[in-house]
Parts: sequence; structure tokens; C-alpha cells
Amino acid sequence: NAGVTQTPKFQVLKTGQSMTLQCAQDMNHEYMSWYRQDPGMGLRLIHYSVGAGITDQGEVPNGYNVSRSTTEDFPLRLLSAAPSQTSVYFCASSVLQGHQPQHFGDGTRLSIL
Amino acid sequence: AQTVTQSQPEMSVQEAETVTLSCTYDTSENNYYLFWYKQPPSRQMILVIRQEAYKQQNATENRFSVNFQKAAKSFSLKISDSQLGDTAMYFCAFLPNFGNEKLTFGTGTRLTIIP
Repeated sequence: NAGVTQTPKFQVLKTGQSMTLQCAQDMNHEYMSWYRQDPGMGLRLIHYSVGAGITDQGEVPNGYNVSRSTTEDFPLRLLSAAPSQTSVYFCASSVLQGHQPQHFGDGTRLSIL
Repeated sequence: AQTVTQSQPEMSVQEAETVTLSCTYDTSENNYYLFWYKQPPSRQMILVIRQEAYKQQNATENRFSVNFQKAAKSFSLKISDSQLGDTAMYFCAFLPNFGNEKLTFGTGTRLTIIP
């Protein structure tokens, strides 16, 4: 049981490049989400999904796209990277009912030059 | 919208002492959930403790306990007999009882345990 797996762990991009951060969970969780963590600002919700085919915006969605074609995977896409997107990104999942605690991946440190 | 405030950016305490981290929140909801997460230097986010707002009894997990004051909208974390492995960032988080699982985090408190 791997839990929540994020890849890559580190990435450096140039401004304007695109990339996809991968997130997979093997716990059959309905709910999945992406956060970014910046110094002094805690974790902020980017996008979330309550099940396959359903996504919605969080607090800071601009510049990011998501899709949820399967229960297991929830990739985060940066279409045109900007220096303001330099951050640590966390994916999380949980059972939807019962407000169970979210399980987090190990994070991806992304630097945009 | 809910807000979560952690007013102590950094704290330090001697090993084996007790330390309390503060957290306040703002909400108009009556039913909700509160969490404390720990983030050690390894960057993992680890759930420390959870409190349901409808429960009057304060949650306890081994050396970790909370002081939940619903009327004051306060949710502090007490760490007893602190250990070097408790050195980490600690985040307070709020989850409304809407069913959409949208966590709101505080800005964190960096706790250092001094040997």
C-alpha cells in the first residue's frame, strides 16, 4: 500500500514551459486535491475533485488545470509556467464521507526560472 | 469564508518540557472539524490530532492534546514531554461540515526542541 505518490520530487522549469505533476493514490479515495505551500502562507488549495470526472477550483486555481479520468490519478498541469508558480506542491486524498483526515504525498518542489 | 490564524511563527522549548501552540479560527458554522498537522524537515504532512466540533471532550493522542474552546473559536495544541523528533512546522487546519472536504490551513508555527 503506497498511499499517495507524487512525481517528480523536484523539477526546474523555464518560464513559459509546460509540465504535469503526477499524483496517484491506491486507497480508493474519492476525494483528491492539490495544494501549494509558500513561505509564511501555509497550504493553499489549488483544485480538488470529489470523484472521477468531477473537478472544482480551490483558492488559487489560476495558471493550473486538472482532470480526474480515474479514481486513482489526479494530475496537475501548468500550461505556461511563471516564476510566481515556484512553490512546493502537495497532493492529498481522503475518503469523502465521514470527514476523514487527508493523506498527503511527499510533495514536489518546483522552481521556475 | 473561513480563516485560520496561528499567531506564533516560531517557538522553541527545551527537551522534556511542555509547549502549547495556539490556533484561532473564524467561522459562522456550528459543525466542523479541526486538525493539527506536523511537517518535519522531511516535508511530509503528518496528521497529529483531530477534533470534531460537536464533541465537548478534548482530543488526546499520547503526548499530544488539544484545548478546544468552541465559543472562543480557539484550538490550541499541547505537546507534553517534548522530544527532539517533535521539531517541525505545525499547521492548524479547519474543515467545514459541507461535505466538500476543503481544508483551510493556518500559516504554521515552526517548533524547535532544544536538546
